[in-house]
Amino acid sequence: QKEVEQDPGPLSVPEGAIVSLNCTYSNSAFQYFMWYRQYSRKGPELLMYTYSSGNKEDGRFTAQVDKSSKYISLFIRDSQPSDSATYLCAMKQGSNYKLTFGKGTLLTVNP
Amino acid sequence: AAGVIQSPRHLIKEKRETATLKCYPISRHDTVYWYQQGPGQDPQFLISFYEKMQSDKGSIPDRFSAQQFSDYHSELNMSSLELGDSALYFCASAPGQPNTGELFFGEGSRLTVL
Repeated sequence: QKEVEQDPGPLSVPEGAIVSLNCTYSNSAFQYFMWYRQYSRKGPELLMYTYSSGNKEDGRFTAQVDKSSKYISLFIRDSQPSDSATYLCAMKQGSNYKLTFGKGTLLTVNP
Repeated sequence: AAGVIQSPRHLIKEKRETATLKCYPISRHDTVYWYQQGPGQDPQFLISFYEKMQSDKGSIPDRFSAQQFSDYHSELNMSSLELGDSALYFCASAPGQPNTGELFFGEGSRLTVL
């Protein structure tokens, strides 16, 4: 079993829809949780970063962490065609450098 | 401000050849990471450096080696290349250690082994 599980999709939604992306993890030592967005043939770009359980909002994006369930989510409100990309969750233990990524979910927002 | 610069962007090599990838981190970033991303795969952590010393090691084959130089740029050396080494290699940088996971990625170097 991989440390981080993420449904690869693909996920296709109409413009304006609310998108929910999720990851589960098995390593209870993970303390930092991130969402990266990766456009085709580009490097991953940090979208959201959270440390504790709870919600964090940034514009149309909300990151949610539930450490008791080992479950994290990213919500995208009023999705736009420019949101079409692969979304990767990533996690890190406190003292380590290594980020462990999920496989990524390919999202397409149709105009 | 300039981002993480990687070179070359594309590289084609034959089996058993050697390749070197270079990474120039963002100014004042002293931590560098290398990741390998196969087609349709998540990025796999290879190795990281902080202040020119190896700070963490992941699934890096023995055929690969890396170092960080005094100007903080890093090089990933890959020898005895195999077909399975074909992938996108990302370098990322961050300030300080241990950081929170907020990495800044380059555009990647695409290695194709024939």
